[in-house]
Amino acid sequence: GENVEQHPSTLSVQEGDSAVIKCTYSDSASNYFPWYKQELGKRPQLIIDIRSNVGEKKDQRIAVTLNKTAKHFSLHITETQPEDSAVYFCAASKEGRRALTFGSGTRLQVQP
Amino acid sequence: SAVISQKPSRDICQRGTSLTIQCQVDSQVTMMFWYRQQPGQSLTLIATANQGSEATYESGFVIDKFPISRPNLTFSTLTVSNMSPEDSSIYLCSARTDRSYGYTFGSGTRLTVV
Repeated sequence: GENVEQHPSTLSVQEGDSAVIKCTYSDSASNYFPWYKQELGKRPQLIIDIRSNVGEKKDQRIAVTLNKTAKHFSLHITETQPEDSAVYFCAASKEGRRALTFGSGTRLQVQP
Repeated sequence: SAVISQKPSRDICQRGTSLTIQCQVDSQVTMMFWYRQQPGQSLTLIATANQGSEATYESGFVIDKFPISRPNLTFSTLTVSNMSPEDSSIYLCSARTDRSYGYTFGSGTRLTVV
């Protein structure tokens, strides 16, 4: 089955700096790669996703890149703000027909 | 995307008892899933709830321990049976709509077994 690895496990940045979280996946058939933000005690919330037919997607301060050949994808957050502090999970799925396999999570702390 | 109502939000249960968690989706969805999230950990898939047939369980999870029902395209239940303290965790349901690959989550059930 699919295996998703995520790094780093914790990340501390100063407000206004950029943050990058990286994930690799094992199943070359996976074609959907979402990123979720989970605040303490809350459900995971989708913040951005990318499909295998594109290499990059951007939504305001958040961007995701995908390298299908290397089987890795990354989340980029620019101009970080204290409210970006949360746990971020990457995930992968095959053909959108199976459950998501999640990475281990990254705890992002934005220092004001 | 679909909106999922999950209940109960939390419960404290005696060991040896069972708890049933319910998820109601506001639209018909093809796929529903159940996850477990230990404190500070990632989400682990328990099973895929199939409408009209038995759920598909992941390695390490069995039907006798986690029976699942899915009577229609908007509703599913997960039962945690014969509970022990090791079952203390957050349980989340998830659904995928037909119109996109988006996966939405319920608000979770925080279970404590004493």
